[in-house]
Amino acid sequence: QVQLVESGGGVVQPGGSLRLSCAASGFAFSSYNMHWVRQSPGRGLEWVAFILFDGSHEKYADSVKGRFTVSRDNSRNTLYLQMNSLRAEDTAMYYCAKTHDYGDHSDYWGQGTLVTVCS
Amino acid sequence: DIQLTQSPSFLSASVGDRVTITCRASQAISSYLAWYQQKPGKAPKLLIYAASTLQSGVPSRFSGSGSGTEFTLTISTLQPEDFATYYCQQVNSYPLTFGPGTKVDIK
Repeated sequence: QVQLVESGGGVVQPGGSLRLSCAASGFAFSSYNMHWVRQSPGRGLEWVAFILFDGSHEKYADSVKGRFTVSRDNSRNTLYLQMNSLRAEDTAMYYCAKTHDYGDHSDYWGQGTLVTVCS
Repeated sequence: DIQLTQSPSFLSASVGDRVTITCRASQAISSYLAWYQQKPGKAPKLLIYAASTLQSGVPSRFSGSGSGTEFTLTISTLQPEDFATYYCQQVNSYPLTFGPGTKVDIK
């Protein structure tokens, strides 16, 4: 069965960095585009980043462009999100999500990893 | 960017009720719309994609309709496990965007 397991969240000071990981199993990871989506406490969902199946193309939300970098290692079935210059407003649960066979919506999500940015 | 609005923001209903949630897009998105259900402390779950296609394993009491700028999610007969927050998402163009959510609560 499809499994996505995020890790790497934690508490970091403003201006700091974190790298999130998402370990994928149960499907052909190298064949699927992937997303990162976040949700601030008590708030709605915000799409953060997208990466093509082969890692050749990425897209970012304006709110993270220039600070976050999405990447993947298809040999390790792992998705990453490098987050630099973190701000208080980046505090959120971060989910990795697999795209569907028939579009860029997400049919499987991880359980999330919590990032808290505070001094 | 394409903005999505949902109505109502909050809905109080009883088991057995028929529930309809509306999602409106700021510009036409054809049928590139998905619906998700999220329960507290859990990840979102895909219910509907391409505006009206039921995701595998989702009960048939859920249905979606619409195209262009106006879409609806209908739960034909509300069950206890359906009390949750529902989000629409447009996948027509990047940046992908979500609606603000509709919380369905027990009356």
